Amino acid sequence: GAGVSQSPSNKVTEKGKDVELRCDPISGHTALYWYRQSLGQGLEFLIYFQGNSAPDKSGLPSDRFSAERTGGSVSTLTIQRTQQEDSAVYLCASSPRDRARFSYEQYFGPGTRLTVT
Amino acid sequence: GENVEQHPSTLSVQEGDSAVIKCTYSDSASNYFPWYKQELGKRPQLIIDIRSNVGEKKDQRIAVTLNKTAKHFSLHITETQPEDSAVYFCAAPISSGSARQLTFGSGTQLTVLP
Repeated sequence: GAGVSQSPSNKVTEKGKDVELRCDPISGHTALYWYRQSLGQGLEFLIYFQGNSAPDKSGLPSDRFSAERTGGSVSTLTIQRTQQEDSAVYLCASSPRDRARFSYEQYFGPGTRLTVT
Repeated sequence: GENVEQHPSTLSVQEGDSAVIKCTYSDSASNYFPWYKQELGKRPQLIIDIRSNVGEKKDQRIAVTLNKTAKHFSLHITETQPEDSAVYFCAAPISSGSARQLTFGSGTQLTVLP
């Protein structure tokens, strides 16, 4: 079946511009995560959506970062007034989190490589 | 705070030898421990996972062991091959406020030398 998809795959933007990154999770997955991965680094948690609950925004690095998840499916990560240090790969993952089974498997999208010049 | 620590950060082995990567976690209620492999320029992919009701799980050349008392788990790769070269991440569900979410270790760059 279709996996997690992200668009665009690559984005080059000028410093100070706003960007929007899109994530389409696997159909039926209730949990959605955004991570940032700088070159050669680990996975930095940004934000987590679970069903209709309020999102966990504890990983967002500044108020320039925000995310929405419409209709419990597609999510958009917005970065306002981009800075060079925002350059990284932004990964989205979805999970068929099931309270009864305590399933936490995450399935990652291919990522969006953001370059701020 | 609650976290997941992973060691070593880099590991080089000769082809055919074994590789072991270790992770420790702090949340005693964690009950699911996956390992992800990320090849250069690609997305992380789940390669094996273990739940807290078992101590070991094997899948061909890959195995994961869990010690709940000591709160650590390990990835074992036997008969390593060049295609095993990648970054490996462990993870565990850690309490975050009222929720529990998968928290990743910092990753291990494994290089298998021919």
